[in-house]
Amino acid sequence: SQQGEEDPQALSIQEGENATMNCSYKTSINNLQWYRQNSGRGLVHLILIRSNEREKHSGRLRVTLDTSKKSSSLLITASRAADTASYFCATDETYSGGGADGLTFGKGTHLIIQP
Amino acid sequence: NAGVTQTPKFQVLKTGQSMTLQCAQDMNHEYMSWYRQDPGMGLRLIHYSVGAGITDQGEVPNGYNVSRSTTEDFPLRLLSAAPSQTSVYFCASSYSGSGIETQYFGPGTRLLVL
Repeated sequence: SQQGEEDPQALSIQEGENATMNCSYKTSINNLQWYRQNSGRGLVHLILIRSNEREKHSGRLRVTLDTSKKSSSLLITASRAADTASYFCATDETYSGGGADGLTFGKGTHLIIQP
Repeated sequence: NAGVTQTPKFQVLKTGQSMTLQCAQDMNHEYMSWYRQDPGMGLRLIHYSVGAGITDQGEVPNGYNVSRSTTEDFPLRLLSAAPSQTSVYFCASSYSGSGIETQYFGPGTRLLVL
């Protein structure tokens, strides 16, 4: 089951602009994470926000979490060509009715930064 | 540290063949997991392990076996390959926490089943 669903599926902006991606999920979570995947590569962790946090910053990244709406957003400021990649949100979800077993990923937002 | 390593990088199998995808980490992480990624999809959890000797099923475990005899290694076995198992496979590891903590991913294994 796809817990996290990113929006939009694709986003193309000019270098220097800000990029915003959104993620919605369905169940209670302990944390929500954002990952980046360059074409043909493994995923790289960007940021983790816990369920009791509302906003977190890391460099040019800003993540918000609204647990009442079950949604999160990732903002990349002053985008660069190197930011071109797919971005995934991931939440911890229980498969067996006990503790969280693994991450559940959305289908991702494909971000293209035009030079 | 090498981080998470996976071998092979690419593999072509015929339907019915078996093989083992290798995964190793040198970060002394207790938690390890296997995901598959299909075109246009996010990753889906196949199996996971919270420590040596402990494994459990994820979302899509059918057709796959795992074992965890050491902290470092977590191999994934395809018992009888099927074309539906054509995918990119990622291994990941992390510290164990109250939830699923930051995952460190390997570079992936691209598998084609004919």
